[in-house]
Amino acid sequence: EAGVTQFPSHSVIEKGQTVTLRCDPISGHDNLYWYRRVMGKEIKFLLHFVKESKQDESGMPNNRFLAERTGGTYSTLKVQPAELEDSGVYFCASSQMAYYGYTFGSGTRLTVV
Amino acid sequence: GENVEQHPSTLSVQEGDSAVIKCTYSDSASNYFPWYKQELGKGPQLIIDIRSNVGEKKDQRIAVTLNKTAKHFSLHITETQPEDSAVYFCAASPNPSTYKYIFGTGTRLKVLA
Repeated sequence: EAGVTQFPSHSVIEKGQTVTLRCDPISGHDNLYWYRRVMGKEIKFLLHFVKESKQDESGMPNNRFLAERTGGTYSTLKVQPAELEDSGVYFCASSQMAYYGYTFGSGTRLTVV
Repeated sequence: GENVEQHPSTLSVQEGDSAVIKCTYSDSASNYFPWYKQELGKGPQLIIDIRSNVGEKKDQRIAVTLNKTAKHFSLHITETQPEDSAVYFCAASPNPSTYKYIFGTGTRLKVLA
């Protein structure tokens, strides 16, 4: 079974630019989550999709962040315009049943300069 | 708000010794507690979990204990090996209807050969 795949693995952009992160969950997993870890701190929840619907987006920092999951398959997370404080590692995870442990992807390391 | 405190932030042990990582959670409604191991360049991987109706769970060299009254839970690794070196994260799920996790800040474990 293929795992959770994230693209790109690294991204360096200038402040004010736009970046789009992509996540391909494990096939058949209806639940998809985005998390972020800022250097040395905890991994923080951003949002949760059930299929194509946003179940919980209480962790999204502000309206510069937009997450989509078209057709209930892959998901994208767009940051526009990027700010310095957006730097960190963005993790995607998926699960077949909500309330089971997630499977995480390897993350996208975003650096805003 | 909800938070999970994790200690220590770094831990060095000799190969063959035991390692213990402790976490404290704030939300008494939390009822699911997973532990994740993150190796360099990879995403967090679920290694063991425990639900609030269980006090202890063991899987080979890894065990987790939960004290609901004190809102503490701990990871115990016995007979540590160099491949146990990684960053370990504890997490708590405060609300079963949202399935989001509140993570601790991580413990960097080094097993010295």
